[in-house]
Amino acid sequence: ETGVTQTPRHLVMGMTNKKSLKCEQHLGHNAMYWYKQSAKKPLELMFVYNFKEQTENNSVPSRFSPECPNSSHLFLHLHTLQPEDSALYLCASSQALRGGGFLGTDTQYFGPGTRLTVL
Amino acid sequence: ILNVEQSPQSLHVQEGDSTNFTCSFPSSNFYALHWYRWETAKSPEALFVMTLNGDEKKKGRISATLNTKEGYSYLYIKGSQPEDSATYLCAFQNTDKLIFGTGTRLQVFP
Repeated sequence: ETGVTQTPRHLVMGMTNKKSLKCEQHLGHNAMYWYKQSAKKPLELMFVYNFKEQTENNSVPSRFSPECPNSSHLFLHLHTLQPEDSALYLCASSQALRGGGFLGTDTQYFGPGTRLTVL
Repeated sequence: ILNVEQSPQSLHVQEGDSTNFTCSFPSSNFYALHWYRWETAKSPEALFVMTLNGDEKKKGRISATLNTKEGYSYLYIKGSQPEDSATYLCAFQNTDKLIFGTGTRLQVFP
């Protein structure tokens, strides 16, 4: 176990639904990340939070809305998604980012992902 | 656009065989190179972080080398076992992001 949990593990939703993905880390980290992996593509960074503040939005469409209420929890709110948004969504955490968003060489610890299917 | 390439895409070996994969990455703006092991339906698990040209890291039967000048890293598995079956991901780090390759999928047959 990596100390990062994600729920649900599988989610099927229609294009008009609203749903949320949840991530929780038990590692005392202060940086949290959302990644997307589409079929046969590399992991793609979506959002970064550092001490609950969003520091990176990698040109993600507004139908994906992240929320970080505290350093241990990260949510991804989904609404009016498209079938092409079907993918594996992974959460990760690490020690805090340094000034200017610098990662250091701290390892990112990943959750097992949520497999999302949009019908 | 920063590109990280991994080869081969997939590999099938017999138990006991030794194997290696390659990760190619940009040689400019390099800060670190990360290797992860990812079993199906589980979380990616960190194997190594390497920062210096010539770095070699080892964890049990798995080892990795780094050449930052030419932009590649090798991952070696000695005496592969069925439990080594997984996807091995590398990620190039510039100062504030990890850029992942698509991985090498290893299947070890008993």
